[in-house]
Amino acid sequence: GENVEQHPSTLSVQEGDSAVIKCTYSDSASNYFPWYKQELGKGPQLIIDIRSNVGEKKDQRIAVTLNKTAKHFSLHITETQPEDSAVYFCAATPGNTPLVFGKGTRLSVIA
Amino acid sequence: NAGVTQTPKFQVLKTGQSMTLQCAQDMNHEYMSWYRQDPGMGLRLIHYSVGAGITDQGEVPNGYNVSRSTTEDFPLRLLSAAPSQTSVYFCASRGAQAYTFGSGTRLTVV
Repeated sequence: GENVEQHPSTLSVQEGDSAVIKCTYSDSASNYFPWYKQELGKGPQLIIDIRSNVGEKKDQRIAVTLNKTAKHFSLHITETQPEDSAVYFCAATPGNTPLVFGKGTRLSVIA
Repeated sequence: NAGVTQTPKFQVLKTGQSMTLQCAQDMNHEYMSWYRQDPGMGLRLIHYSVGAGITDQGEVPNGYNVSRSTTEDFPLRLLSAAPSQTSVYFCASRGAQAYTFGSGTRLTVV
C-alpha cells in the first residue's frame, strides 16, 4: 500500500519568511495529493490540493508542487504570518482508496 | 451548518468499559472514515465505509467496531477499552475527493 513520508517534523521561521514542507510517496498510482492544516484543538482542514495531471498550484500565499517522476510533492508558504502556525499534514491516494497521511509538520512562525 | 459532527468532545473511560463515538454528516457523502491521531504518528485509519451497509478495515482496526446503517451516521464502537486506545479520534467524510473532518473526540482510558 501507499506510504507517505513528511519532512521536517518541526519547522520554525521568522514572520515574513517562506516555509517549505516536503513529502514523498511510494505508490506510483497515487493521483491526488491534499494538504491539511490543523490548529490546536481542531480537526484538520483542507488548504490546498493537487492532482497528478498538474505540476503546480497556487492559492494566494500557498503553493503546492508535484514531481511525479521523483514521487514527491511540497507545500510552500510565502510571507508567513503568526496565524500560519499550526500542524500541516500531507496525504496521498491512488483514487478511490483511503487517504494515507504523513506524520505532520509543526510550523511555528516567530513574530 | 453543513459538516461533520462528532460527539462527545471529551471522554474518560476505565479499562474494560465499552463506548460508542458518534459521527454524523449532512453533506450526503457516501464515503466516511475514522482516524486516530497520536503524537508523532500522524493520522492512522481505523475503519472506513464507502456507503450504507459497507465497511472495511484500515491500518489499525483491532479493538474497534463500526457499522453503517444510514448514509448520515458512522459510529465507532470500542468493545473493551484499553489504555493503548487513549487518543484523539477524528471522523471524516469525502465528497468528490476532498475530506471534511469533524472536530474530534479526545478519549482517555485509565
